[in-house]
Amino acid sequence: GQNIDQPTEMTATEGAIVQINCTYQTSGFNGLFWYQQHAGEAPTFLSYNVLDGLEEKGRFSSFLSRSKGYSYLLLKELQMKDSASYLCAVRDRRNTDKLIFGTGTRLQVFP
Amino acid sequence: DADVTQTPRNRITKTGKRIMLECSQTKGHDRMYWYRQDPGLGLRLIYYSFDVKDINKGEISDGYSVSRQAQAKFSLSLESAIPNQTALYFCATSDLEGGFGYTFGSGTRLTVV
Repeated sequence: GQNIDQPTEMTATEGAIVQINCTYQTSGFNGLFWYQQHAGEAPTFLSYNVLDGLEEKGRFSSFLSRSKGYSYLLLKELQMKDSASYLCAVRDRRNTDKLIFGTGTRLQVFP
Repeated sequence: DADVTQTPRNRITKTGKRIMLECSQTKGHDRMYWYRQDPGLGLRLIYYSFDVKDINKGEISDGYSVSRQAQAKFSLSLESAIPNQTALYFCATSDLEGGFGYTFGSGTRLTVV
C-alpha cells in the first residue's frame, strides 16, 4: 500500500526560508509531485521529481531521495502570498499510476 | 477559458435530494478523477475513469455515482445527499506520461442541509 507523511502545520517569517518534508512508502514509485493550494481553491502544480536530486524553479526547489523515500520542498524569500497548503503526492505504477496525496502542510507566513 | 471547468461553483441542497456535479475539460486527457476534500483529511478519491468505457471506484465511492459522457465530460452524482457529504469537490484530469500530474478544476463547494 501507500503511506505519505508530511507535517500538518508550519509557520515562518516573511523573507525567510522554509523546508517542508514528505516521506512516503510505495511499492511502485513513479514520480513525486508538489502542489500548492490556497484556501478554497484548486491545487496547482509546483514541481515534479522522478530521479534523485534537486529541481530548482525560481524561489521553489524540490528534492528527492528514492532510497530514503523522502522529499522536501524548499521555499526561499518567503512572501505573504506563500501562505497556503502544500500537498505532496506520489505516483505509483502498481496503482495504475494514480496520484496518492498526503494530507498537506498548512504554511502560515507572518510579517 | 479554464482547462478543467466544474459547475456549479457553489451549491446548497437539502438532505435526500439528488444532485449532479459536472466537469468538462479541454486538455484532451483520457484520465479523469473526482475527489472530495475535507479539513484535515486531504484529497480522497471518489471515482476515476481512464477512458469513456472505463469507470472505477475510488476509496470512498459509497453514496456516489459517475457518468463519463464523452472524453471531455465526467459528471458526479449524489443519489440521495446527506449532510456528511458536505465538502469541497474537485475534478481532475491527467495523461499517463505527463510530468505535470493532475490538472484540477476550480472546485465545487457543496453544502447539504
